[in-house]
Amino acid sequence: DIVMTQSPDSLAVSLGERATINCKASQSVLYRSNNKNYLAWYQQKRGQPPKLLIYWASTRESGVPDRFSGSGSATDFTLTISSLQAEDVAVYYCQQYYGTPRTFGQGTKVEIK
Amino acid sequence: QVQLVESGGGVVQPGRSLRLSCAASGFTFSTYAMHWVRHAPGKGLEWMAIISDDGSNQDYADSVKGRVTISRDNSKNTLYVQIDSLRAEDTAVYYCARSRDCSKTNCYRDFDIWGQGTMVTVSS
Repeated sequence: DIVMTQSPDSLAVSLGERATINCKASQSVLYRSNNKNYLAWYQQKRGQPPKLLIYWASTRESGVPDRFSGSGSATDFTLTISSLQAEDVAVYYCQQYYGTPRTFGQGTKVEIK
Repeated sequence: QVQLVESGGGVVQPGRSLRLSCAASGFTFSTYAMHWVRHAPGKGLEWMAIISDDGSNQDYADSVKGRVTISRDNSKNTLYVQIDSLRAEDTAVYYCARSRDCSKTNCYRDFDIWGQGTMVTVSS
């Protein structure tokens, strides 16, 4: 199984400041034949289902604000919220869909400082 | 609009079985592979199972294999999961999710649509 490890487990950021979440895969999720990273990011607010933010490691889902961006390749990935808004308080998960089982990181809780 | 609605959760005694449903609308259900994912209290998201568009192929997480069965009825636009021999560790919110642009179990894509979830509590 591909183990996804996120850091930090939680972070508190002031409104308008940058939030950065890291995700490390235990093996590469880069598929060489199409040069795509099989990595997604989801946001889960309290009492709600997960919402897809980013897929292919860096492609923003339709309707997702451009303050959310994804980067990285192979085993190391980052989700950045460029200017944190109050509505961004949530738990964020990375997920690999390179293999079965599809696995998620343990989650990173983002709060307002 | 595109929607998934789970049902069937509740309080269940240990050792019993439970079948959850996921009703799809707003898209051509029969052309998508579908997943079940669960979220136990205080824990992260756990992928459980996938089923192909026509229901002919399934794959499971090792943690639930042999105790969980995923199925679908495309005539009713409904996805199911049956969980047998329920344990306290099965207490969770259960979500169904759509695999974007995927019809088969060996097609690897993100989960673009999620249901609201249904809560299962295993307790005597």
